[in-house]
Amino acid sequence: SAVISQKPSRDICQRGTSLTIQCQVDSQVTMMFWYRQQPGQSLTLIATANQGSEATYESGFVIDKFPISRPNLTFSTLTVSNMSPEDSSIYLCSVVAGAGQETQYFGPGTRLLVL
Amino acid sequence: KNEVEQSPQNLTAQEGEFITINCSYSVGISALHWLQQHPGGGIVSLFMLSSGKKKHGRLIATINIQEKHSSLHITASHPRDSAVYICAVRRRGSGDKLTFGTGTRLAVRP
Repeated sequence: SAVISQKPSRDICQRGTSLTIQCQVDSQVTMMFWYRQQPGQSLTLIATANQGSEATYESGFVIDKFPISRPNLTFSTLTVSNMSPEDSSIYLCSVVAGAGQETQYFGPGTRLLVL
Repeated sequence: KNEVEQSPQNLTAQEGEFITINCSYSVGISALHWLQQHPGGGIVSLFMLSSGKKKHGRLIATINIQEKHSSLHITASHPRDSAVYICAVRRRGSGDKLTFGTGTRLAVRP
């Protein structure tokens, strides 16, 4: 199994500022996924973070807006840059772990409100 | 059209009722997940299916690969089952990336 923690759990930020979200896993994993869940919507993948290489971004998401770090196999950060109210969402990190690498684990999420 | 469709979007049940949530998808998949999201936002993985049927406690999940359809059943529902249930598929060739349905909001009344 994998236990994931995220910091902060929630934050209220001003427009134009940036927030860095941390994701810590209690075991080593190859890939970490960052998802966004806008109010009333389902989850959308932002990017996949591999240790030692640049993150791979999905269509509609760019590195300048959502820079990601992956310094080791248990940790990653996602920064939401130059925030606007449209960035108000829950941000979740996720990993695949388990004996058969078949279980998807999610962090508790970071609830972000941009004013 | 979304690649993953769920029905119903909202469901209200009385405690003890048998509940079915459906998921249809339009792409080739290597696996399908059922997830549970509680009001605080935390997500728990309930099942991962690539064929057949799985059971865990009062929860049963089935998948029909030919029909591209999966169902999640809850027997003897309880108010603590109230949550959003999300179907997500792992598209064939996409590694471990998931594509999510919009979720089914379930409320079980005592």
